[in-house]
Amino acid sequence: RKEVEQDPGPFNVPEGATVAFNCTYSNSASQSFFWYRQDCRKEPKLLMSVYSSGNEDGRFTAQLNRASQYISLLIRDSKLSDSATYLCVVTRSSHGQNFVFGPGTRLSVLP
Amino acid sequence: GAVVSQHPSWVICKSGTSVKIECRSLDFQATTMFWYRQFPKQSLMLMATSNEGSKATYEQGVEKDKFLINHASLTLSTLTVTSAHPEDSSFYICSAGQGVENEQFFGPGTRLTVL
Repeated sequence: RKEVEQDPGPFNVPEGATVAFNCTYSNSASQSFFWYRQDCRKEPKLLMSVYSSGNEDGRFTAQLNRASQYISLLIRDSKLSDSATYLCVVTRSSHGQNFVFGPGTRLSVLP
Repeated sequence: GAVVSQHPSWVICKSGTSVKIECRSLDFQATTMFWYRQFPKQSLMLMATSNEGSKATYEQGVEKDKFLINHASLTLSTLTVTSAHPEDSSFYICSAGQGVENEQFFGPGTRLTVL
């Protein structure tokens, strides 16, 4: 089983749609969780950190369920500019900041 | 967020040559930097953790004699791909952490093509 798994995608949605991404991780000792977005042929950019209490940043909402080892990202009122690959990232607790990336879920927002 | 730069942004080389990639933290000091590799349509895979003033820590399956890492200062880490082969062609990305929540900031990446 992979350390981090994500919805296989791709997701093709119309502008204005709400879309949800799911992610599961296998290491119960993981300490930090993030969503990054990566545009084609570019580096990943931090979208948001994920907390057990849930957090929201504008149209984006992230949730963490430690018991189920599950992370989600909800995008409301999607824009064309949201088209990208969304990467779920967890840290390995025994290696401090070492990141483990999920395979990513590609989103295409269509006009 | 913090700014990380990489140089060069792309490089084409002949098989058997060595290529050096630089990663710099521009507005902060980074005792630890990370090197990743990303093949087409795949996610990032951690290659090694670069520690300032000490030896790098390599992930399983990554040859330390082929991918030489030097972290001589708090703002610069270099990755040298020695005796490059076509299968080393990939997108190499470095990162450094600065955030209080352990988030990392990524350089723009270096696209290596070995002919």
